[in-house]
Amino acid sequence: AQTVTQSQPEMSVQEAETVTLSCTYDTSESDYYLFWYKQPPSRQMILVIRQEAYKQQNATENRFSVNFQKAAKSFSLKISDSQLGDAAMYFCAYGASGTYKYIFGTGTRLKVLA
Amino acid sequence: DTAVSQTPKYLVTQMGNDKSIKCEQNLGHDTMYWYKQDSKKFLKIMFSYNNKELIINETVPNRFSPKSPDKAHLNLHINSLELGDSAVYFCASRGAGNTEAFFGQGTRLTVV
Repeated sequence: AQTVTQSQPEMSVQEAETVTLSCTYDTSESDYYLFWYKQPPSRQMILVIRQEAYKQQNATENRFSVNFQKAAKSFSLKISDSQLGDAAMYFCAYGASGTYKYIFGTGTRLKVLA
Repeated sequence: DTAVSQTPKYLVTQMGNDKSIKCEQNLGHDTMYWYKQDSKKFLKIMFSYNNKELIINETVPNRFSPKSPDKAHLNLHINSLELGDSAVYFCASRGAGNTEAFFGQGTRLTVV
């Protein structure tokens, strides 16, 4: 069975600094997708970034980038120039291609200190 | 224009009652989901429908019954509500051309 593990329940970062959130996963599939979702206090789940497993190049979206290590089954999220609005729960998620199921990690609460 | 919308956003009800949560998506997606987020923020899939057909039914008490009248709607009916049903319930959808799920704003259900 596929699993997603986020080992950091909570992280803090100073405004304008860089922070990295960790995620590991386990799967026997070769074709899958990985995601980072942000959940601010408003409760809305917002897609931050996604990575296709077949792509070697790490995905980037403005200040957000990932470090995808397929052999190690690791998928970390780097947030550069952290802003107060980045404070939220961040969830790592896995979805196998061709299936309809997304599996989420337990989340990391990110605090941004002014 | 909201892509995935759920009603109501908040629901407070007494134990033993029956309640429904409605979900509609205007994205033209074929697949819709119900997820439950517990008090520890853990998100777990409950059900998934593809083209109105149930394709995922996780270990969920049979007091929970999803209904998909058409591809754009997926409702969740809960019978005989219990205290442990208190959670945030998220509806989501995914299109054939997408890899990610699009979420509604969630419904916070509180059973007292």
